[in-house]
Amino acid sequence: GENVEQHPSTLSVQEGDSAVIKCTYSDSASNYFPWYKQELGKRPQLIIDIRSNVGEKKDQRIAVTLNKTAKHFSLHITETQPEDSAVYFCAAPRTSGSARQLTFGSGTQLTVLP
Amino acid sequence: GAVVSQHPSWVICKSGTSVKIECRSLDFQATTMFWYRQFPKQSLMLMATSNEGSKATYEQGVEKDKFLINHASLTLSTLTVTSAHPEDSSFYICSARLRGGTSNQPQHFGDGTRLSIL
Repeated sequence: GENVEQHPSTLSVQEGDSAVIKCTYSDSASNYFPWYKQELGKRPQLIIDIRSNVGEKKDQRIAVTLNKTAKHFSLHITETQPEDSAVYFCAAPRTSGSARQLTFGSGTQLTVLP
Repeated sequence: GAVVSQHPSWVICKSGTSVKIECRSLDFQATTMFWYRQFPKQSLMLMATSNEGSKATYEQGVEKDKFLINHASLTLSTLTVTSAHPEDSSFYICSARLRGGTSNQPQHFGDGTRLSIL
């Protein structure tokens, strides 16, 4: 099955600085990598995803990069704001079976200090 | 679009009670829904995959007789925690994936159900 490791577990940055969260995965056949943001007590929300046919995807202040050779992908948040404070989860799909269940990373608690 | 509704949002009940949680895709059809459990400050742990019109697929270590799943339509899956005990207290979240297209479609999550067993 897929094994996803996420680092760091906690990250504090000053408002306006950038934040980077990294994930590695084990299954070289995985080809879809979403990132979710979860505020305390709320649902995980998809913020960006990338498929393996591209190396980078950007949406305003958020970007994701993918290195298939090294089997890792990263979330980049620029010009951080206090409302970016939340737990962020990466995920990768199992490639066995048709349901493509997601395996989630352990999460990163991001705190943006005003 | 892609709204998933989960009900109830919280439940407090006595040990031994069975609790049913509903997960509905409001504006799309979902042949596959997923049920997760999340403990405080931990990640999402998949419990089972709910397939419309067929039996659910449970993850290793999850008791299928304890966590009954029914996916009777393309927009509704239910999770019933039978004879709940305090150790079943947790945050349960469902997600749904849009029917059709490739299997690499995003999962859209419900708001979760906080279950507390006294």
